[in-house]
Amino acid sequence: AQSVSQHNHHVILSEAASLELGCNYSYGGTVNLFWYVQYPGQHLQLLLKYFSGDPLVKGIKGFEAEFIKSKFSFNLRKPSVQWSDTAEYFCAVNARTGRRALTFGSGTRLQVQP
Amino acid sequence: GAGVSQTPSNKVTEKGKYVELRCDPISGHTALYWYRQSLGQGPEFLIYFQGTGAADDSGLPNDRFFAVRPEGSVSTLKIQRTERGDSAVYLCASSAGTTPQETQYFGPGTRLLVL
Repeated sequence: AQSVSQHNHHVILSEAASLELGCNYSYGGTVNLFWYVQYPGQHLQLLLKYFSGDPLVKGIKGFEAEFIKSKFSFNLRKPSVQWSDTAEYFCAVNARTGRRALTFGSGTRLQVQP
Repeated sequence: GAGVSQTPSNKVTEKGKYVELRCDPISGHTALYWYRQSLGQGPEFLIYFQGTGAADDSGLPNDRFFAVRPEGSVSTLKIQRTERGDSAVYLCASSAGTTPQETQYFGPGTRLLVL
């Protein structure tokens, strides 16, 4: 069975600080990896995804994530956060072939102070 | 273009009652998913449709939960004999293609409260 761990439940940063949110997954096969974001009052939307190729993936709004296979990790980064990045961030995984259901982590709430 | 829509946005019911939650996917999307999100948790998978058929219903918690997609577009999630533990946000997502790499586009959810 797949599982996803997001160890940071609540992160508070000041504007312009750098961000790194951790994501570790457990799965015996090849996976696709996703980061979704939920801004206050809005629905979940995709930030970025990885399924093959360059393990450093760039997404929208200046976010990037690096897939490190040996560590089963897919950490999300942004060099300089803005107040508008305040949101909840979810890491998710599914199998490269076969089962399409996403398994999500419990989420990290990011609060950026102006 | 129009995204995934869900109705109602909020539903309050009493324990033991029957509820139906509706999802309108993005036009042309053949895959449709239902997830459930409890407070402080990430979404949990319930069921996945490819076209009209349920391709994976392994996430349905018990036989009180049932979903249909009779014409391969709109889907309805049905919950019988609701329990307080069913209170959650029910999310619907759709995707265009036939591979797990496809982005799943989520709707705003239906917040269900069982009293």
